[in-house]
Amino acid sequence: DARVTQTPRDKVTEMGQEVTMRCQPILGHNTVFWYRQTMMQGLELLAYFRNRAPLDDSGMPKDRFSAEMPDATLATLKIQPSEPRDSAVYFCASGPGTPTGELFFGEGSRLTVL
Amino acid sequence: AQSVTQLGSHVSVSEGALVLLRCNYSSSVPPYLFWYVQYPNQGLQLLLKYTTGATLVKGINGFEAEFKKSETSFHLTKPSAHMSDAAEYFCAVKAVYGGATNKLIFGTGTLLAVQP
Repeated sequence: DARVTQTPRDKVTEMGQEVTMRCQPILGHNTVFWYRQTMMQGLELLAYFRNRAPLDDSGMPKDRFSAEMPDATLATLKIQPSEPRDSAVYFCASGPGTPTGELFFGEGSRLTVL
Repeated sequence: AQSVTQLGSHVSVSEGALVLLRCNYSSSVPPYLFWYVQYPNQGLQLLLKYTTGATLVKGINGFEAEFKKSETSFHLTKPSAHMSDAAEYFCAVKAVYGGATNKLIFGTGTLLAVQP
């Protein structure tokens, strides 16, 4: 049963610490998305990769966030330094890259920054 | 630019009653439209999608949605609500520009409560 795997599922950290979230997309999918979900803002698109190349990261705060795909099986989202306002659930999703293709979401990484 | 508006952040229905969740979109190009469902502490999963062809699309769990271009709407319905339908529902629009950009833009979600 193919699925998107995210780690960690839950992370509690202190302000100023570095946080790295990881995502393993579904094998064969060539697009990867990072979304952030909060009560106030809903689902926000942070970054989007196609064939491992970043296509759009306009939704991501550049000063502290970075997203990469070191290889086709791993996407990372890093926050350094973390702030309380970064507390949210971060979702990774992958898709086949076709216009009509659906996105498959991981179960999310719940981040709490104290 | 594309956007989605979901009317009603919370909807409550009785078990067995009709479910109607509203979604209006804005798109300068023909849109592809999606409904996703999110159960507590889970990721989103696809309910149904409209791409081309028949404007009434059927999805999983008895849900369906109708694409109405004249009304720029894509409302989600289910004839008879079940307790297991309680979840948050997201409408989304995807704009395709030659395949190079196909971001999925989500609405703010509608939390559906089903009363016994």
